[in-house]
Amino acid sequence: EDQVTQSPEALRLQEGESSSLNCSYTVSGLRGLFWYRQDPGKGPEFLFTLYSAGEEKEKERLKATLTKKESFLHITAPKPEDSATYLCAVRSFSGGYNKLIFGAGTRLAVHP
Amino acid sequence: EAQVTQNPRYLITVTGKKLTVTCSQNMNHEYMSWYRQDPGLGLRQIYYSMNVEVTDKGDVPEGYKVSRKEKRNFPLILESPSPNQTSLYFCASSEDRNLVAAFFGQGTRLTVV
Repeated sequence: EDQVTQSPEALRLQEGESSSLNCSYTVSGLRGLFWYRQDPGKGPEFLFTLYSAGEEKEKERLKATLTKKESFLHITAPKPEDSATYLCAVRSFSGGYNKLIFGAGTRLAVHP
Repeated sequence: EAQVTQNPRYLITVTGKKLTVTCSQNMNHEYMSWYRQDPGLGLRQIYYSMNVEVTDKGDVPEGYKVSRKEKRNFPLILESPSPNQTSLYFCASSEDRNLVAAFFGQGTRLTVV
């Protein structure tokens, strides 16, 4: 069964304290791994798509990497405005169509 | 501005009273879908549509209906809501069925009492 597990559930950082969020997945035939950011009271906002092991994408203080079993979202020198829930999803092809399978998310709080 | 618009944002209703949550996108996207988000469970797909008049069930379709009569609109219908449908609902659209860079609406928080 396709599955996505994110860890930790919650993470508290001091401003400037770099860290990584983990997304491990089990999917038959990965067709893309996606990272989203979700602010309270809002819908998820697309960040990155990764397709193959070894691929990396960067955006400001965020860098996403992908291996055959997991993805990491590295946050370098975070700021309070990086506080949000970060969602990981994999695209699975099942029953003749693509669908996104989401993890439960990691709640990140960055304190000044 | 590219956006997915859901209405209402908040809704409290009673068990059994039919309701509709509207969803509209202005990007001419073919693919649209509905998700519910519950604590600890992540986003789960309810229904999806690959184009006008083409809809199919996702992972948790029981108790829900959808229609896609126009490309831009994809309403979610709860014929007889029950308390276990209390949740946060999101509509999403993407340019194609590959689901790259899906856009999400702002969400509808539904409470069924």
